[in-house]
Amino acid sequence: GAVVSQHPSRVICKSGTSVKIECRSLDFQATTMFWYRQFPKQSLMLMATSNEGSKATYEQGVEKDKFLINHASLTLSTLTVTSAHPEDSSFYICSARDTGTGSPYEQYFGPGTRLTVT
Amino acid sequence: GENVEQHPSTLSVQEGDSAVIKCTYSDSASNYFPWYKQELGKRPQLIIDIRSNVGEKKDQRIAVTLNKTAKHFSLHITETQPEDSAVYFCAAASYNQGGKLIFGQGTELSVKP
Repeated sequence: GAVVSQHPSRVICKSGTSVKIECRSLDFQATTMFWYRQFPKQSLMLMATSNEGSKATYEQGVEKDKFLINHASLTLSTLTVTSAHPEDSSFYICSARDTGTGSPYEQYFGPGTRLTVT
Repeated sequence: GENVEQHPSTLSVQEGDSAVIKCTYSDSASNYFPWYKQELGKRPQLIIDIRSNVGEKKDQRIAVTLNKTAKHFSLHITETQPEDSAVYFCAAASYNQGGKLIFGQGTELSVKP
């Protein structure tokens, strides 16, 4: 149980275009999901907290107009990178909290999406 | 906000030796401290976690210790094996911050056969 998927696993796009990444909890409901970004040989940096039915909460320094987050259902959150540039190339990972456990801490990670902007 | 410092950044040990990775945190409200193992290009895997009401927790070859007064916690791996080679991350979270994880910088562990 507690499986989180991401789609796509890899994407290459041209500079100036937008890319949408999906994060799904497959066997549990997730009121809260998190989006992280990881550059090569670096740590996971929290970008935003996504809450079902409400606006996402962005971490300091993350441009909310560039990284659009939508959490329209209890099993799906999407991250759209708008007007992507080469510096946005990174590994994007989502995680989901199982609403049913009642624990505020345990998160299940997706497999990540490798974004390359050319 | 919370800040987590992790040391060392790289660690090389011989197979069978022990490995210790240390983390410090800044927010005294943090009360959940997980450790993750990440292989190249893969998702982080939770290997052990500890809550603030416990000083030590062990799971086979892996143990974590927590000193809340000093605000530091450590990961101990005994009898290391080549398959333990990976990047390890510590993290901290607090209930009043919604449980969001703040990660340390990571430690690249290499176990030489």
